Amino acid sequence: NAGVTQTPKFRILKIGQSMTLQCTQDMNHNYMYWYRQDPGMGLKLIYYSVGAGITDKGEVPNGYNVSRSTTEDFPLRLELAAPSQTSVYFCASSWGGFWEKGNTIYFGEGSWLTVV
Amino acid sequence: KQEVTQIPAALSVPEGENLVLNCSFTDSAIYNLQWFRQDPGKGLTSLLLIQSSQREQTSGRLNASLDKSSGRSTLYIAASQPGDSATYLCAVKRDKLSFGAGTTVTVRA
Repeated sequence: NAGVTQTPKFRILKIGQSMTLQCTQDMNHNYMYWYRQDPGMGLKLIYYSVGAGITDKGEVPNGYNVSRSTTEDFPLRLELAAPSQTSVYFCASSWGGFWEKGNTIYFGEGSWLTVV
Repeated sequence: KQEVTQIPAALSVPEGENLVLNCSFTDSAIYNLQWFRQDPGKGLTSLLLIQSSQREQTSGRLNASLDKSSGRSTLYIAASQPGDSATYLCAVKRDKLSFGAGTTVTVRA
């Protein structure tokens, strides 16, 4: 059981380039999330999805796009990369939404992105 | 807006000492609180989940308490080991999951 898998692990982008962070989960979870973690800060929610075909913005969505064509996959797209997007990105999934009381959330191992 | 604070930001203790990690939050109207462990270069692993109606939760050497009215939670790790070295994050859940910045723990052999 692989859980939540993210690729790539590390990436360096030039300003203005675009890229997609891949995320897949094999737990048949309905809910998936993308977070970013900046040094010394807590995780901030970028986008989330409650099921295939349904996505919504989190706290810090600007500069990102997502899609959810299948239950398993939730890619995060960075358009026109900026230095402010240098961060560690975490994909996560859960059976129920984070607003549901007893739910546990499972995280991928992270993707380190540097924009220069 | 929910603010979650973890103090201290870093902690170093000798092996065998008990660890006490603190988490405070500003809005007490939460559904639950979760403690995570993060190892360098790795994702977050859930350690304990405390429902808003609970006062504490235990798993092995870990014990987490919750005082919702005062907006505080404490994670106790008994008889620390070098393998406990990691960053520990707390997160509170209401309409979304709000994270603290974490406490980085080093246990010296």
